[in-house]
Amino acid sequence: GAVVSQHPSWVICKSGTSVKIECRSLDFQATTMFWYRQFPKQSLMLMATSNEGSKATYEQGVEKDKFLINHASLTLSTLTVTSAHPEDSSFYICSARDIREGGYTFGSGTRLTVV
Amino acid sequence: DQQVKQNSPSLSVQEGRISILNCDYTNSMFDYFLWYKKYPAEGPTFLISISSIKDKNEDGRFTVFLNKSAKHLSLHIVPSQPGDSAVYFCAASDDYKLSFGAGTTVTVRA
Repeated sequence: GAVVSQHPSWVICKSGTSVKIECRSLDFQATTMFWYRQFPKQSLMLMATSNEGSKATYEQGVEKDKFLINHASLTLSTLTVTSAHPEDSSFYICSARDIREGGYTFGSGTRLTVV
Repeated sequence: DQQVKQNSPSLSVQEGRISILNCDYTNSMFDYFLWYKKYPAEGPTFLISISSIKDKNEDGRFTVFLNKSAKHLSLHIVPSQPGDSAVYFCAASDDYKLSFGAGTTVTVRA
């Protein structure tokens, strides 16, 4: 089945620094990938839709200048949290839709802790 | 505005019995519904889905029921097993975006 690899699985960074999270579709091409954020005991919230070769579409309330998304190829999307602050600490998950099989495959997630 | 709601944050069930998880939605444009299972610090894994043109889909121990008029769906797990202990998310799709419920934590007691 479709596999999405997300890296790193966890990261600790200092306040004010930037962190990049990668999301790769391993055995299929994904023209569209999605980035979610989950706070403890809360739902997955869609942050943005990443479109290969074009600008990402951000959900209302998500700062596009803070959460930079790049979808440079059909198998890779990156999320960069710029000038991270402790309130950005969260669990970030990407997903991709396999057009051939349908459905959504999720990465394993990235636990970001900003200290 | 939460378009997908799981009103029960937790469910405890004895091993071997049935687990019933409920989900309500408000957006009548949703045409595809999914259930995901999630362990701590891991990404969600797909369990089962149902198209809006159906009212039931079954896959092994998992059955999803959809009541469009009530905008309600449920997931039945029978028999429940200890490995089923996890957080279950209901999700709904219109076009290609997914909206998630807040999740229900299922604990299966031995």
